Amino acid sequence: DGGITQSPKYLFRKEGQNVTLSCEQNLNHDAMYWYRQDPGQGLRLIYYSQIVNDFQKGDIAEGYSVSREKKESFPLTVTSAQKNPTAFYLCASSNYLTGDYGYTFGSGTRLTVV
Amino acid sequence: GQQVMQIPQYQHVQEGEDFTTYCNSSTTLSNIQWYKQRPGGHPVFLIQLVKSGEVKKQKRLTFQFGEAKKNSSLHITATQTTDVGTYFCALGNTGKLIFGQGTTLQVKP
Repeated sequence: DGGITQSPKYLFRKEGQNVTLSCEQNLNHDAMYWYRQDPGQGLRLIYYSQIVNDFQKGDIAEGYSVSREKKESFPLTVTSAQKNPTAFYLCASSNYLTGDYGYTFGSGTRLTVV
Repeated sequence: GQQVMQIPQYQHVQEGEDFTTYCNSSTTLSNIQWYKQRPGGHPVFLIQLVKSGEVKKQKRLTFQFGEAKKNSSLHITATQTTDVGTYFCALGNTGKLIFGQGTTLQVKP
């Protein structure tokens, strides 16, 4: 089955540590996205990538970094510079270049800073 | 930047009652999408609307795009407990989506 795999499902991090969230898709989608969701809130865009080796900042990129070395993979690093990292992180992909705009989301990673 | 307002934020209904959530923008939209997120889950794509005045149906769900392409609505007829969750509208903007705050639906059996 094609889809998006995010790992780990739950992650605990100590303050001051960087942590990397994994996102892999086998849908052959060109574009990939990272969103952050806080309790009772909507989704806010962190970074997105429409093509390999290229990515753009979203609305809340500060304290985060990404890479897109392969079409299938779009890892997100939450750095120690992110002041309030505890949140639900969602990765998504789409094939918008073909006119298919609907996003497919992964099951998310819940990050808690302890 | 482009923003969307979604109302209401919360809605509690008795099973069998109807439910509607609205999405409004100050600018003309090229397209709008709707997603559903079950409690503890991830958003799932429901539908995309592109044409002015477009109406699409999925079983008990009716999606509408305004004539001026500045607003949209999702209407659920005769809600069921399986309809529980948060419904988001999302605006397409140069290859990325801007999500509304969502409407959380609770259904009392």
